[in-house]
Amino acid sequence: QPVVTQEPSLSVSPGGTVTLTCGLSSGSVSTTSFPSWYLQPPGQAPRTLIYDTNIRSSGVPDRFSGSMLGDKAALTITGAQAEDESNYYCVLYMGAGIWVFGGGTKLTVL
Amino acid sequence: QVLLVESGGGVVQSGGSLRLSCEGSGFTFSNYGIHWVRQAPGKGLEWVAVISHDGDTPYYAASVKGRFTISRDNSKNTVLLQMNSLRPEDKAVYYCAKAKYYFHSSGKPGAYFDYWGQGTLVTVSS
Repeated sequence: QPVVTQEPSLSVSPGGTVTLTCGLSSGSVSTTSFPSWYLQPPGQAPRTLIYDTNIRSSGVPDRFSGSMLGDKAALTITGAQAEDESNYYCVLYMGAGIWVFGGGTKLTVL
Repeated sequence: QVLLVESGGGVVQSGGSLRLSCEGSGFTFSNYGIHWVRQAPGKGLEWVAVISHDGDTPYYAASVKGRFTISRDNSKNTVLLQMNSLRPEDKAVYYCAKAKYYFHSSGKPGAYFDYWGQGTLVTVSS
């Protein structure tokens, strides 16, 4: 089964821009993997940020954007805020009903 | 509003069984697939299983296939996860999540997890 790769940790300054990526250990991510992104603050349930590569879920601030970056899906936070410090996960559809989450990125805002 | 509530977690010995339940409200339950996703202590999210809106089509992660069974009772707005032959590595918080489908430009139906429950903790003692 393919492994979905994410940066284990990243940091960004308040007001800065950071890009998180979601790749495959072998091969390229395509939009037909239906990349989506989820935020999970410590001790809380995940919530949806982005689906269909670049569509923001209802109520998600526009500082969050999704895109394809080369052979990976990407989540960019423009103008990071302290409350964005969290764990971020992507998930990809592998076909045949199977989904695989990335290992997650711990984002620090400092 | 959409609400998903998991229950049934607890402590079980290795090799034992447990059945989790996910009750949905605030939406037409029988129109949507439901996923189970778990998170071991200090680890990331792991997709476990999904069942189609009508219960006809279940899919499983390789790590649980043959041990876990997902089913649903739309008359009770409930999805069940029967977990047998539990192992210490199955210890996790188990979340259910509602599947949302959309039209993708490729012509294939796209999907994502649009609402999540708060989770229920399963502990497997060795």
